[in-house]
Amino acid sequence: NAGVTQTPKFQVLKTGQSMTLQCAQDMNHEYMSWYRQDPGMGLRLIHYSVGAGITDQGEVPNGYNVSRSTTEDFPLRLLSAAPSQTSVYFCASSPHQPWREGRNEQFFGPGTRLTVL
Amino acid sequence: SQKIEQNSEALNIQEGKTATLTCNYTNYSPAYLQWYRQDPGRGPVFLLLIRENEKEKRKERLKVTFDTTLKQSLFHITASQPADSATYLCARNAGNNRKLIWGLGTSLAVNP
Repeated sequence: NAGVTQTPKFQVLKTGQSMTLQCAQDMNHEYMSWYRQDPGMGLRLIHYSVGAGITDQGEVPNGYNVSRSTTEDFPLRLLSAAPSQTSVYFCASSPHQPWREGRNEQFFGPGTRLTVL
Repeated sequence: SQKIEQNSEALNIQEGKTATLTCNYTNYSPAYLQWYRQDPGRGPVFLLLIRENEKEKRKERLKVTFDTTLKQSLFHITASQPADSATYLCARNAGNNRKLIWGLGTSLAVNP
């Protein structure tokens, strides 16, 4: 199993540009999420999905869109990049939703380091 | 609001000693706490989960405790090695909120 894969590893954008960060998992996990990690702020949840066709907002969703058409893929779209979106982005998946009993540990991808000029 | 607090100061210890990291939480007890390891430039890796009704959990050289009276979890690495050097993150479930709440992590350096 490849686990959770993310592309690209690095990206530089200009303010106002749009792009999609790709995330895929091959573990048949129902729960997938996107985080951003900034110094002094920790991991903050952007959006999450509890299954194909179902997505919801996390704590910092503004400026980002997601969709989940398949169990495997969960892309994150930046609509109009801003310097405040400079960050490291992590995609994670889990066998179960975090608020449920059972296996709910998170499996993280390697991250995408995004710089917005 | 619910929070997770971890020692912000880096922990430096000598190889072979036991490293002890602290995770303090506020408000009501979480159903569980999770511990992760993060190396520079990489995503966090899950290590251990301990539930509210468990006092202690072990995995090889790792041990986690959960004290609901002190509102605290301790993470121990026994016989530490330089390869254990990393940042260790603690996370809790957020009750009715559909997310995990993360601490900022504690950096551990094990010196040979």
